[in-house]
Amino acid sequence: NAGVTQTPKFQVLKTGQSMTLQCAQDMNHNSMYWYRQDPGMGLRLIYYSASEGTTDKGEVPNGYNVSRLNKREFSLRLESAAPSQTSVYFCAIALGQGRWTYGYTFGSGTRLTVV
Amino acid sequence: DAKTTQPNSMESNEEEPVHLPCNHSTISGTDYIHWYRQLPSQGPEYVIHGLTSNVNNRMASLAIAEDRKSSTLILHRATLRDAAVYYCIPQNYNQGGKLIFGQGTELSVKP
Repeated sequence: NAGVTQTPKFQVLKTGQSMTLQCAQDMNHNSMYWYRQDPGMGLRLIYYSASEGTTDKGEVPNGYNVSRLNKREFSLRLESAAPSQTSVYFCAIALGQGRWTYGYTFGSGTRLTVV
Repeated sequence: DAKTTQPNSMESNEEEPVHLPCNHSTISGTDYIHWYRQLPSQGPEYVIHGLTSNVNNRMASLAIAEDRKSSTLILHRATLRDAAVYYCIPQNYNQGGKLIFGQGTELSVKP
């Protein structure tokens, strides 16, 4: 998944702990996204950012915050982790902007377990 | 968002063509139809997308019905590496072009 780097690749948290998942791109794309995928399910959109300095809620934003400080980086923060947030988290970038977004590239994922 | 219906699973034999169907009867006139696939333990990857005309690329072909209420992803010669979950996604341009994934079709390929 060249172009999108997610860190860490694996993480175990205790309930109530906080952490930030990092996503960085080197493809100069405007749009960035955070998805989660629970076992046996499709991906669900948490938050997205159409451009530097803007963020919007997706399908399942509760319990998360995001930050797009520059064009390259889009971070996802769990303030108080819960077992229901155990999932694989994918960052994605896309060409274009807004209505004309296409060609998504996904990172390799962060596998998060909350105990 | 347009709702999609895909078979939960399909099987194919290696080196045979595969036709993966998708119904999207509530699609709007400006929604592009995207197909992505997810190999085991990986993030999704782009396969193909189109609006009204049939589309071809090195990975697959996309056949879109004239009324745009359904589409078919065609893999011309399935390989073992094509075993994946395939997602058909109408992209709603009025909602910022976000991709909203459904359950997809799990394709297995037999040698």
